[in-house]
Amino acid sequence: NAGVTQTPKFRILKIGQSMTLQCTQDMNHNYMYWYRQDPGMGLKLIYYSVGAGITDKGEVPNGYNVSRSTTEDFPLRLELAAPSQTSVYFCASNLAGAYEQYFGPGTRLTVT
Amino acid sequence: EDQVTQSPEALRLQEGESSSLNCSYTVSGLRGLFWYRQDPGKGPEFLFTLYSAGEEKEKERLKATLTKKESFLHITAPKPEDSATYLCAVQETSGSRLTFGEGTQLTVNP
Repeated sequence: NAGVTQTPKFRILKIGQSMTLQCTQDMNHNYMYWYRQDPGMGLKLIYYSVGAGITDKGEVPNGYNVSRSTTEDFPLRLELAAPSQTSVYFCASNLAGAYEQYFGPGTRLTVT
Repeated sequence: EDQVTQSPEALRLQEGESSSLNCSYTVSGLRGLFWYRQDPGKGPEFLFTLYSAGEEKEKERLKATLTKKESFLHITAPKPEDSATYLCAVQETSGSRLTFGEGTQLTVNP
């Protein structure tokens, strides 16, 4: 089991560019999440999904979009990148009924 | 709105010097309180889930306890490899979302 994998590990974007952060889990988890973590801060929920075809907003969804076409994949799309989106992004997943979430290694994004 | 406050922000210990980290929370109905460990440049790693006041869980040198308002992570005779940021999160009964605190950065000096 690879668990939760994320690509890329690092990325530098120019203001206004777009990109997709990839997240894949091989644990057959129903629930998947995207968080961002700014230096010295806790994790803030961006979007989450309770199953394929179902997504919902978290605390800080502005500037991001998601889709969930399969159980395994939950990509996060950044449109028109802004410096405020400089952060480390973590994907997580868990089984319905099992509450602990398992996290990927993160993607460090810099927007300049 | 759920709130989680962790203290202290940073803690430096000598190897073998036991201490505790605090997580205070406000939630309408608690489904679970979670402790995670995060090493620099890595994702959070799950440690414990506590579900009800009075519950305790242990793993090696770590013991987590829970009351109706706070949780403690007790570290007994820590080693340098225990150095990490420890995150606390709560989940309310109405959903699957976690609300995280800002973490306590623990440094254990040899």
